[in-house]
Amino acid sequence: EVQLVQSGAEVKTPGESLKISCKASGYGFIGYWIAWVRQLPGKGLEWMGIIYPNDSDARYSPSFQGQVTFSVDKSITTAYMQWSRLRASDTAMYYCARTGSGNILDYWGQGTLVAVSS
Amino acid sequence: EIVLTQSPATLSLSPGESATLSCRASQSVSTNLAWHQQKPGQAPRLLIYDASKRATGIPARFSASGSGTDFTLTISSLEAEDFAVYYCQQRSNWPPEFTFGQGTKLEIK
Repeated sequence: EVQLVQSGAEVKTPGESLKISCKASGYGFIGYWIAWVRQLPGKGLEWMGIIYPNDSDARYSPSFQGQVTFSVDKSITTAYMQWSRLRASDTAMYYCARTGSGNILDYWGQGTLVAVSS
Repeated sequence: EIVLTQSPATLSLSPGESATLSCRASQSVSTNLAWHQQKPGQAPRLLIYDASKRATGIPARFSASGSGTDFTLTISSLEAEDFAVYYCQQRSNWPPEFTFGQGTKLEIK
């Protein structure tokens, strides 16, 4: 069974750094892109970018380029997204999703809520 | 950048009725379109991919059609569990990029 299990909710202050995770299981991790999607409170879904675990090839939406960094640890089949300096405007739910055959977002993590407030 | 516009923003219907949701792309996406359902407090779930193919485990009351720029998701005989927000989403094959529509909220009338 394909599963993506994300790390728990985070409460941070502006300027702090943060790394959230997405643990994959039930399929060949290195062969499928992992996408990251943001959902601001009460709003829709925004595609942030994507990473290919086999070679860590990462592509970012122009809206998020330079704002976040994707990485993976193949040994533990886990993808990460990190911020070096959080802002209040980063407060949102963040989802990872597997990009299945044909670049279809076929499985989603349960989401990680990030709250940034002073 | 391809923009997806969904209509209506909100659709109010009763259980047992049929729902028709629309998604229009600013330029042709061929059949590279998917639909996702999101219930309150839950992650999105893939319903439809390649414009008309149901994902694994999705009931037959969900159907979809379209190609190019105009797409439709139809839910026949609505059940209580179907009231949710629906997003269309397009993909490019290479490089892999995705865009979501703004969503249609299907609410109980």
